[in-house]
Parts: sequence; structure tokens; C-alpha cells
Amino acid sequence: DADVTQTPRNRITKTGKRIMLECSQTKGHDRMYWYRQDPGLGLRLIYYSFDVKDINKGEISDGYSVSRQAQAKFSLSLESAIPNQTALYFCATSDLSGSEAFFGQGTRLTVV
Amino acid sequence: QKEVEQDPGPLSVPEGAIVSLNCTYSNSAFQYFMWYRQYSRKGPELLMYTYSSGNKEDGRFTAQVDKSSKYISLFIRDSQPSDSATYLCAMEGGYQKVTFGTGTKLQVIP
Repeated sequence: DADVTQTPRNRITKTGKRIMLECSQTKGHDRMYWYRQDPGLGLRLIYYSFDVKDINKGEISDGYSVSRQAQAKFSLSLESAIPNQTALYFCATSDLSGSEAFFGQGTRLTVV
Repeated sequence: QKEVEQDPGPLSVPEGAIVSLNCTYSNSAFQYFMWYRQYSRKGPELLMYTYSSGNKEDGRFTAQVDKSSKYISLFIRDSQPSDSATYLCAMEGGYQKVTFGTGTKLQVIP
């Protein structure tokens, strides 16, 4: 099994629909992150969580919400999808120091 | 001005060449510096992690940090076609909020 698993890998959805991206990890890390990657803009942090009871906004959290269901699970929701949320989304985990970090394979989301 | 600047490339080199990838930054609070490798259609993979000025070596890879100049580099010796990927620099200033460069696409030609 992959260290960080994201589902789905690809998704096409319509404007206005609610969609959830899921992430699970087997590393036992407390810290989990959601990023989006856009050409020319790099990876940008959407939300992060340092433990099950801790949720923090990143630099581009508007239009997104998250839920940390367990240490191993961190899901990202788009409440009402819009076309400019079309991007590649990555979940990541890290240890306390940040010197050990793992990314999932990504979810390619297209909003039409 | 972006906090982290990275030339997008693409950079094409012949197999066996020494590759130099660079990033500059403007935020003096950055303390930890990372390099990630991202193959097409894959997630980034952490290659190097360092927190001090100077060099850190791992096999064919050397990470260099110059905090006084706000400049970091990744050197790849004896480059291989399998090194063809996008390389992302990343920096953290605390609370593990990492800022990424936009990535440099590298192609190593056999």
C-alpha cells in the first residue's frame, strides 16, 4: 500500500456541485496537509492539521473545507465547485520535524 | 515579488553532466530548506532536507544553502535519464508552513 493514498485520482464535476477528496496515510504522522498545484503557481497550501483536533487555514482556503476524521484520514471538500478550482490536488503528511514528508499521488479535479 | 523564485526551465543536459538547480528567497524567517523531485503525473518526493548554511550531500545529490545571500542550490552529479523530472525547492519559516517554488523541469538526454 502507498504511504499516502488519495481518492479519487481523477474527477470531473459540474459547477455548483459539492465534492469531497479523501486522503489516508499509513505513516503514523500527526501532521497532514492539502495543497493544490497549478501551472506557473506551484504548490499552494489550502489547509493543514497538526493533530485530530487541530485545523488551520492555509493561504488559499476560501471555497474549501476540511475534516480530520482520524489521525490517518484528512478529507478536503469543495462546497460549491467553480471552474477556477480545476487543479491537481495533493495530500501530504510530515513528521514533527518536517524532515520526513510524503505526498499522495494527487487528484486531478476538473470543474466544468 | 514572490517569496521564493525558481527558474521554470526547461533545462536540458546530456547524460553524465553536472546539473545545478537554484532558488532565491526573500523571507529571512525561512530556516529549513528542502528539495523535492516530481515525476510526471506523480506526487512530489522529498529529496533533501537541510536547516543550516553549507552543503549536505546524499549520493549524487548535494544541497547547498547560503542564508546570507538567500540562495539555495541542488547539484546533481553524473546525471541520468531517470533524473528527468521537475525539481521543486521549498522553504519553511516555522509552524511547518512550507512555501514552494514553482519548479524547474529537467530533462537528461541519453
